[in-house]
Amino acid sequence: GNSVTQMEGPVTLSEEAFLTINCTYTATGYPSLFWYVQYPGEGLQLLLKATKADDKGSNKGFEATYRKETTSFHLEKGSVQVSDSAVYFCATSGGSNYKLTFGKGTLLTVNP
Amino acid sequence: DAGITQSPRHKVTETGTPVTLRCHQTENHRYMYWYRQDPGHGLRLIHYSYGVKDTDKGEVSDGYSVSRSKTEDFLLTLESATSSQTSVYFCALGEGLDTGELFFGEGSRLTVL
Repeated sequence: GNSVTQMEGPVTLSEEAFLTINCTYTATGYPSLFWYVQYPGEGLQLLLKATKADDKGSNKGFEATYRKETTSFHLEKGSVQVSDSAVYFCATSGGSNYKLTFGKGTLLTVNP
Repeated sequence: DAGITQSPRHKVTETGTPVTLRCHQTENHRYMYWYRQDPGHGLRLIHYSYGVKDTDKGEVSDGYSVSRSKTEDFLLTLESATSSQTSVYFCALGEGLDTGELFFGEGSRLTVL
């Protein structure tokens, strides 16, 4: 089945720093890729997605590009804010396995 | 807001007792899911439903059962709770397994002593 590996946290940054959270996937077929975010005490919510190779998903200043050649979907933001502090989950669905599979999550803390 | 409510939000119980968690939606989504979230494991799918009385197992279904007798309600039952089932349980809604966009509830924190 599909699987997702994302970088272990926690990640601690200062405000306005550049963020990268690495995510690689294993899947057969043509999976869709997602980033979900979980703010403290809340459920997950979709941050961005990409459904085919070379697509770029973007939202709230975050971006991720679907790289089929490297099976990656790294999350980036040019200038993080304290309000970006949360747990970020990479996920995959579709392809030959039609279940949404999550990575283990990466805790991001942004200090003022 | 996807109109999803989980109950109870917090529960403490003892080993061996039955526990039922409820997920209620007001949005008429076809698919409903139960996930558990544990440190170091992320989210893992327990069971899901693709319609009334239509359910299937996820990757960690042992010790859990589900029922969906109405479109709006999806129940997760632990027949005999164990300490390994201490976790945060999330219900999610969607329109298709391959769309990937799920709407999550706020979670139910279960502690089994």
